[in-house]
Amino acid sequence: GQNIDQPTEMTATEGAIVQINCTYQTSGFNGLFWYQQHAGEAPTFLSYNVLDGLEEKGRFSSFLSRSKGYSYLLLKELQMKDSASYLCAVYNTDKLIFGTGTRLQVFP
Amino acid sequence: NAGVMQNPRHLVRRRGQEARLRCSPMKGHSHVYWYRQLPEEGLKFMVYLQKENIIDESGMPKERFSAEFPKEGPSILRIQQVVRGDSAAYFCASSPPIGSTEAFFGQGTRLTVV
Repeated sequence: GQNIDQPTEMTATEGAIVQINCTYQTSGFNGLFWYQQHAGEAPTFLSYNVLDGLEEKGRFSSFLSRSKGYSYLLLKELQMKDSASYLCAVYNTDKLIFGTGTRLQVFP
Repeated sequence: NAGVMQNPRHLVRRRGQEARLRCSPMKGHSHVYWYRQLPEEGLKFMVYLQKENIIDESGMPKERFSAEFPKEGPSILRIQQVVRGDSAAYFCASSPPIGSTEAFFGQGTRLTVV
């Protein structure tokens, strides 16, 4: 079966750092994506990991450990506009399989 | 280069009617995916299509739902005899031919069944 787990909700303070974890068990693996989705809008691409290690892109970084079936998204210097859902997705053979998403609320 | 275009953005249907959702992929993209998102839930895969071919429909309900991606024109997701439980946001994503895994999403169609 396919199983992708993320925390349902997280809160953090403006300017802080937050780490959103994702664990997965899938029948195939061709990479892991993180998407950001604001309420009522389309998911937008944040990052892609296919090899173990850390990928850094500005304030956002994403880490992957294939042996542990684990990834995290790290958001630094949080801003109010970062309040959104963050979706972990595994590319499995021919399609993206999504977790339920983590709703992040950033407070001033 | 326009992004993935979905229409309509909002669709209201009475129970028992048909809903047709359209998706035009990005220029040069030949792969289309449909996802459904229920309120407060994640994206659930429905179907993966290439031109004139259904590649993977493992996420499609067995009845009332169908999808196509003709040689010319947009991809269509069709829901017959809609029920209240079909109310959701339906997102389409497209990706280039083999060799790229990134999918670009449209703005979605929000279907409300009354």
